[in-house]
Parts: sequence; C-alpha cells; structure tokens
Amino acid sequence: EAQVTQNPRYLITVTGKKLTVTCSQNMNHEYMSWYRQDPGLGLRQIYYSMNVEVTDKGDVPEGYKVSRKEKRNFPLILESPSPNQTSLYFCASSPGTGGTEAFFGQGTRLTVV
Amino acid sequence: GENVEQHPSTLSVQEGDSAVIKCTYSDSASNYFPWYKQELGKRPQLIIDIRSNVGEKKDQRIAVTLNKTAKHFSLHITETQPEDSAVYFCAANPIRTDSWGKLQFGAGTQVVVTP
Repeated sequence: EAQVTQNPRYLITVTGKKLTVTCSQNMNHEYMSWYRQDPGLGLRQIYYSMNVEVTDKGDVPEGYKVSRKEKRNFPLILESPSPNQTSLYFCASSPGTGGTEAFFGQGTRLTVV
Repeated sequence: GENVEQHPSTLSVQEGDSAVIKCTYSDSASNYFPWYKQELGKRPQLIIDIRSNVGEKKDQRIAVTLNKTAKHFSLHITETQPEDSAVYFCAANPIRTDSWGKLQFGAGTQVVVTP
C-alpha cells in the first residue's frame, strides 16, 4: 500500500531533550516536506527536500533540522525542543515535479513541557 | 514569497445548502492551486486541484474556480452533507524548478454542516 509513515504518533518531552520524528514513504517520491499545524495558522512549511542531499528552508525553519540521506526517509530533528514547538507535525511527499498531489503522513502530536 | 489568504475561517451551513470558500494569493507566478480536506483527527487529503490554464473544474459536488487576473480562487460545495464537515485548506504553488517545493497553504476553513 502506498503510504507516508510517521513515528511516533504522539510524543511528550521536556524542554531541551533532543528528539527525532521519522518519516518514510514507499512511493519513490523525490519531494518530501515537513509542516506544522497550529490553530488559526494552517499548515506552515518547516523544511523541504527535492531529492537526496538536497534540502531547503520553508517558512518556519528555526529550531529544526532535517536530513535526506536516502530517498525514502526524511527525519525531522529538534536539537533542543522548546514549548513553542508544541504542535501537530505532518510529513508529506509528492512526485518530483511541481503541481502534483502531496501525500501526508498520519501526523505526530508533539508536546514540549 | 507567496502569501495565501483564506476566508472565512469558519462556515456553518444547513445540510443541502451550498458552501463557498475563497482564497487569494500574492505571487503571480503561482499556477497550481490544490484544495485539501482534513477530517477531525485525520491527515489532509487532496480533493480537487486546478492549474492556471483552466478557469473552472468540477468533480461531482465540488468545483473550483480560478481568476488569475484577480489572483483569487474558490471552492464550491453543492448539496452539502454531514460528511462534508471538515477543515478545508487552499494552497498555491509556482510550477518552476526553483520553487515547486514551496507549497503555500491558507489558514484553513472549518466547515460545519448541520442536519
């Protein structure tokens, strides 16, 4: 089944404790992206990647890191999480050209206390 | 960069009535405009999209219109049903190599269909 898989689904952590949210897709998509969803703000892009080893900042990259060492995986790293990073996070993938459907993962609900 | 504004933020309609959500965008280079539906606790899913060479597109009870001159596009849902209750997001994206990754979303519209 074609899908985008994120883990974990729910995470509660403490300020400053490094964490990684994994994202994997099995559709051989070139493009992958991370979004955060906050009430009233919609989906805001954190980082995106157009292919292996090619990443770029989105609109809200501060406090986040990403890597794209393999085509299928695109982990999101929070080196020192803070309470303002409490949010719902979505990973998405799409074929390697613009103007195509983005397939979203099931989401990760992160709470930083 | 692109800025997408979406209105209204909430929309209540009676079952069977129509719902209209409007979005405006700022980047004249944007030429791909998808709409996503997010049911409660679920992931966003594409329901319809339109490209700049088309003024209108329909798929059963949903339709999208695009006015490139005015830089706005709208989602129309006819004969609304309770299962149409969800958050709807519009988005805009320029289809060019240096920026096709930057899909810009609106803030979302919570649609509530009451029986």
